[in-house]
Amino acid sequence: GESVGLHLPTLSVQEGDNSIINCAYSNSASDYFIWYKQESGKGPQFIIDIRSNMDKRQGQRVTVLLNKTVKHLSLQIAATQPGDSAVYFCAENQAGTALIFGKGTTLSVSS
Amino acid sequence: NAGVTQTPKFQVLKTGQSMTLQCAQDMNHEYMSWYRQDPGMGLRLIHYSVGAGITDQGEVPNGYNVSRSTTEDFPLRLLSAAPSQTSVYFCASSYSMAGSGTGIFSPLHFGNGTRLTVT
Repeated sequence: GESVGLHLPTLSVQEGDNSIINCAYSNSASDYFIWYKQESGKGPQFIIDIRSNMDKRQGQRVTVLLNKTVKHLSLQIAATQPGDSAVYFCAENQAGTALIFGKGTTLSVSS
Repeated sequence: NAGVTQTPKFQVLKTGQSMTLQCAQDMNHEYMSWYRQDPGMGLRLIHYSVGAGITDQGEVPNGYNVSRSTTEDFPLRLLSAAPSQTSVYFCASSYSMAGSGTGIFSPLHFGNGTRLTVT
């Protein structure tokens, strides 16, 4: 698999590799985090979420990890497929406030 | 369910013109919001509403007005368009997961966007 440092705007992987997309959030009071996927010409689409009382949550081929100590969030995609090519955004939310998005990472998957 | 519907899909305005971007959702969601998306800037919150009759400003509210007279509709108004407002605009909605007033909302459902060009 391939991992990237915080906030790199692009990530290129081979089909079948594992992908790790990182995100740093800004508000230590944020208690809800979401990852979105955006394909070209479409609105963002929900992938997975995690609350601040958890460190890890798994979905189908995706895992989100939360490290509150360093305010870091990551999205792991197992066995990356060409259909995973998109822009991925993390977002943070504090109860009673609106959702704030990060700048996004473009994932390119080559076969 | 149609989900979140935005109209128009594309719009070209001249500087100084006004227009309204329409957003409607049929999911009975309390929360609605408008974002703009610019290259390298991600999604930035313009205005949001936690229910009919209630609106609040986001990160970049200047130059935009909103109103929420019904649960279903949340139009975004540009009173005097400027080239800096050239962007892709997304409307999104969600529902309160732990009861109204708790501020804990479900993940946002997004529309497919309106691409606005101001010349």
